[in-house]
Amino acid sequence: AQTVTQSQPEMSVQEAETVTLSCTYDTSESDYYLFWYKQPPSRQMILVIRQEAYKQQNATENRFSVNFQKAAKSFSLKISDSQLGDAAMYFCAYRVTQGGSEKLVFGKGTKLTVNP
Amino acid sequence: EPEVTQTPSHQVTQMGQEVILRCVPISNHLYFYWYRQILGQKVEFLVSFYNNEISEKSEIFDDQFSVERPDGSNFTLKIRSTKLEDSAMYFCASSRFRGPSHQPQHFGDGTRLSIL
Repeated sequence: AQTVTQSQPEMSVQEAETVTLSCTYDTSESDYYLFWYKQPPSRQMILVIRQEAYKQQNATENRFSVNFQKAAKSFSLKISDSQLGDAAMYFCAYRVTQGGSEKLVFGKGTKLTVNP
Repeated sequence: EPEVTQTPSHQVTQMGQEVILRCVPISNHLYFYWYRQILGQKVEFLVSFYNNEISEKSEIFDDQFSVERPDGSNFTLKIRSTKLEDSAMYFCASSRFRGPSHQPQHFGDGTRLSIL
């Protein structure tokens, strides 16, 4: 079964600095999708960025980028020029594809604090 | 931007009572999901739903749980006889497509269910 591990329960960063959130996963699949979702306090989970496993190029979305290391099964999120609005829980997620499944498998999350 | 909406935001119920959690997916989405997150634990997949039937369910989704799309807009999760361990945040999600033309799942704000 697929598992997702986020080893950092909490992280903090100074405003305007860069922070990297770690995520590792375990799978026997060769083709899959990985996601980072952001959940601000009392707000819905919002998709931040996604990566298709067959793409070697790391995904980027403005200040957010990933370091996808397929062989190492690592999918870290880098937030550049951190802003106060980036403070949230960040969840790494893996989309299962075997057997036509569409379910997401989540990590436990990393709580990011942005200090002014 | 269209959103997934969930009601109520917080539900308090006596153990043994039935509870219905409601979701309005994004209007042109075809695939619907429920996830739950017990406090301090991972977000876990419960069930996926397409074309008026369950397409996949987890081992958590036992006979006490059911889902329904009673009309063209609502998607509900019913727990027939609640247990203390059902206390959790329940997230509804929807997506437009699946498979190779995969679109990400969009999540609602969640309903916090507290069983007394």
